[in-house]
Amino acid sequence: DTGVSQDPRHKITKRGQNVTFRCDPISEHNRLYWYRQTLGQGPEFLTYFQNEAQLEKSRLLSDRFSAERPKGSFSTLEIQRTEQGDSAMYLCASSRDTPGNTIYFGEGSWLTVV
Amino acid sequence: QKEVEQNSGPLSVPEGAIASLNCTYSDRVSQSFFWYRQYSGKSPELIMSIYSNGDKEDGRFTAQLNKASQYVSLLIRDSQPSDSATYLCAVVDQGAQKLVFGQGTRLTINP
Repeated sequence: DTGVSQDPRHKITKRGQNVTFRCDPISEHNRLYWYRQTLGQGPEFLTYFQNEAQLEKSRLLSDRFSAERPKGSFSTLEIQRTEQGDSAMYLCASSRDTPGNTIYFGEGSWLTVV
Repeated sequence: QKEVEQNSGPLSVPEGAIASLNCTYSDRVSQSFFWYRQYSGKSPELIMSIYSNGDKEDGRFTAQLNKASQYVSLLIRDSQPSDSATYLCAVVDQGAQKLVFGQGTRLTINP
């Protein structure tokens, strides 16, 4: 068990550019979540997958955001045409598919849009 | 959107004292409750989970749950400077099995 892994850990990009973050969940976890967190706030839910199926997307997830989990293992979160308001920490988490199961977070990917 | 409410603090507690952190939630059907600790610039780290009414103790930490009052709390005994962090209360949204977080309470332990 190597934990939830995220890459890159830090990304600085110019406004208007596209960025992609990758998440590798804990190997036996079939649920994968993406959250966004800004300073002074708790994490906000963006989307989650059960295996390869994307089961829910938050209204926070505009058309510029897309997430995939093509083989039910790793996931990517892409932000197109980044805006300064996208600057945040993007957190990936995973869990087993049983009620009340613990959700474990990765170390996060910091995005700064300049 | 289900709501989870926490006092944002900062909460300042002298070293060795008991720190008490509180959280209320709006969804009556929620069954799973978690406390995460988050150090500045780091990701949330799970410290306690609680599913039944009453108290659950783990070392210096005690989680308390009162489903009738929709209230969860975390007590930290013998507070240490290393406990200084933001504490996030999280509730599982039963419909989607996702965590809904409060905004967190910033705790400072003063030596």
